[in-house]
Amino acid sequence: EPEVTQTPSHQVTQMGQEVILRCVPISNHLYFYWYRQILGQKVEFLVSFYNNEISEKSEIFDDQFSVERPDGSNFTLKIRSTKLEDSAMYFCASSPQGVYSNQPQHFGDGTRLSIL
Amino acid sequence: SQKIEQNSEALNIQEGKTATLTCNYTNYSPAYLQWYRQDPGRGPVFLLLIRENEKEKRKERLKVTFDTTLKQSLFHITASQPADSATYLCASQGAGNMLTFGGGTRLMVKP
Repeated sequence: EPEVTQTPSHQVTQMGQEVILRCVPISNHLYFYWYRQILGQKVEFLVSFYNNEISEKSEIFDDQFSVERPDGSNFTLKIRSTKLEDSAMYFCASSPQGVYSNQPQHFGDGTRLSIL
Repeated sequence: SQKIEQNSEALNIQEGKTATLTCNYTNYSPAYLQWYRQDPGRGPVFLLLIRENEKEKRKERLKVTFDTTLKQSLFHITASQPADSATYLCASQGAGNMLTFGGGTRLMVKP
């Protein structure tokens, strides 16, 4: 069964450094998402992406964050200047259609980001 | 603002019993609710989706109900097994093209 893959599985970065988290969504999916989960807390929405542009973003997704689909397969999340509070699991997800279509989202296994 | 909540952080049951997990929502009427399973260090895995006009949905040992009067969904695992031990998340469409998740219920099935 096709799956969403994320790399790296664990990223350790010094505060203030830039980090790029990478995702390969399922190939025939059109909608892409990033969520984060701080240890022991809820899964929180960051951003959704469709047709090469952001369709929704949360308050968490401020100017330090950006997303890109640089080619036909990868979907990346960049944090420009990391802060201690950015430490979390970051999950990428994809779906064939958007949330309004009632279809489930398929999640990767996440990147654990640790900011020192 | 719309909220989706899972009241129990943890639930311990004996193998073979039925586990029942609760999801409540307030301040909105979701068109559907989804249930996911999350194992430690892994991403959520989709289990079931139930629409607002469906009272009940089943898949093998899993059953989900949707009560729009009580603003509640119940998730049942019958004949539970230790392998069912995991965190179970309910989710619904948020205010836009996103999913909003509850805090999850950690289920422990003891042999």
